[in-house]
Order: sequence, then C-alpha cells, then structure tokens
Amino acid sequence: RKEVEQDPGPFNVPEGATVAFNCTYSNSASQSFFWYRQDCRKEPKLLMSVYSSGNEDGRFTAQLNRASQYISLLIRDSKLSDSATYLCVALLSNDYKLSFGAGTTVTVRA
Amino acid sequence: DAGVIQSPRHEVTEMGQEVTLRCKPISGHNSLFWYRQTMMRGLELLIYFNNNVPIDDSGMPEDRFSAKMPNASFSTLKIQPSEPRDSAVYFCASSPPGQQGIQYFGAGTRLSVL
Repeated sequence: RKEVEQDPGPFNVPEGATVAFNCTYSNSASQSFFWYRQDCRKEPKLLMSVYSSGNEDGRFTAQLNRASQYISLLIRDSKLSDSATYLCVALLSNDYKLSFGAGTTVTVRA
Repeated sequence: DAGVIQSPRHEVTEMGQEVTLRCKPISGHNSLFWYRQTMMRGLELLIYFNNNVPIDDSGMPEDRFSAKMPNASFSTLKIQPSEPRDSAVYFCASSPPGQQGIQYFGAGTRLSVL
C-alpha cells in the first residue's frame, strides 16, 4: 500500500467552479503535509503547506484531519491556469523524507 | 534568484553507456535530494544529502547508480551502465536548513536509454 493515496481524477471543471479533492495517508506518525503542483512536463512546485487548523491561500483552502488521516484541497473560482496535477505530500517523522501521492489531475475548461 | 539548476535537460543514450546528471542547488540550502519520476511509479526519492553528506541512499535502485556531492554547490548522479528501464525524468531538489519539507525542484533531466 502506498503511503499517500490520491484519486487520480481527472476532475474536469468549468471556469469559475469550485473543485475539491482529498488524499489519505497511512503513516500516523507523519508530521507535516503539503500540496505541490506539477504542470505537464514541468517540475513540482510547492503550492501550500497544510496546517492542523486549516489554512487558506487566496482561492486555495487546505484542511487536515488527523483522526481520519486525510488532507483536502479546495480551489474556488477556478481559473484556466489552475489546470495541473496536484500532489499530496506527507513529511515522515524522520524529518526529511517526503512521501508523494501519485497526483490528482485537474482540468479547467473555458 | 537562480533556482535549482540541472543539466542536461535532455539526454538520449544507448544501453550500456555511462550517464552523468548534474545539479546546482540554491545557494544557502543545505539539503539536496535526487528523485526519479515515471508514470508507473510516480516520484521516488533516490538519495538525500545533508551538508554534503549522504544520509539516505536506500532509494538508489542498484549499484549501477551512484551520487556524489563534493561541495555545497554541486552534485552528480551517475548511472553506469545505463539500461532502458532507467528511462525517466530525474529531478534534483534542495531545501533550506530546517525546512526539508519545503523543497525547490530543478527543471529535471529527461533521460531516454535506447
């Protein structure tokens, strides 16, 4: 079983829509969580960290549920430029090893 | 500011040849990571350096793979001899002190072994 599991999608949404998706992690000792974004044929880039209390960054909202071991990402008012693969990432307790999910693909259409 | 710089961006080689991938981390970052990405296996950590010292090489697939970091501004990943199954995108990433979860990736090297 992979340490971080994601629905691969794709999520096809119209511009302006709200899209949300989750990922689950298996290692309860995971310390920190992140969402990275990867555009087609590009490198992953940090989108946002995920805090226990939940956090927002503009149109993006991340939530962490430690009891159920899942992380969510919500994108409001989707833009064409939001089309990408979103990687859910857990930092394991050894403080350096990132465990990447396989990614959720989002396509925003005009 | 310059980000993580990798070279070459693309490499096409024949089976059995030696391949060397290069990485220059962001200045001031003391952690460096080499990853491999394929459709089948996603992103896999190959090796992690901290302060130029290899800390975790458990992801290096075989003895054919080796990595070095002779100084804080340069690292290499070598495959000798290369095989077709090594075809993948290889990313180098670096992170600042105390923030290993915040990793900055280079543009990657797309390797094709024929």
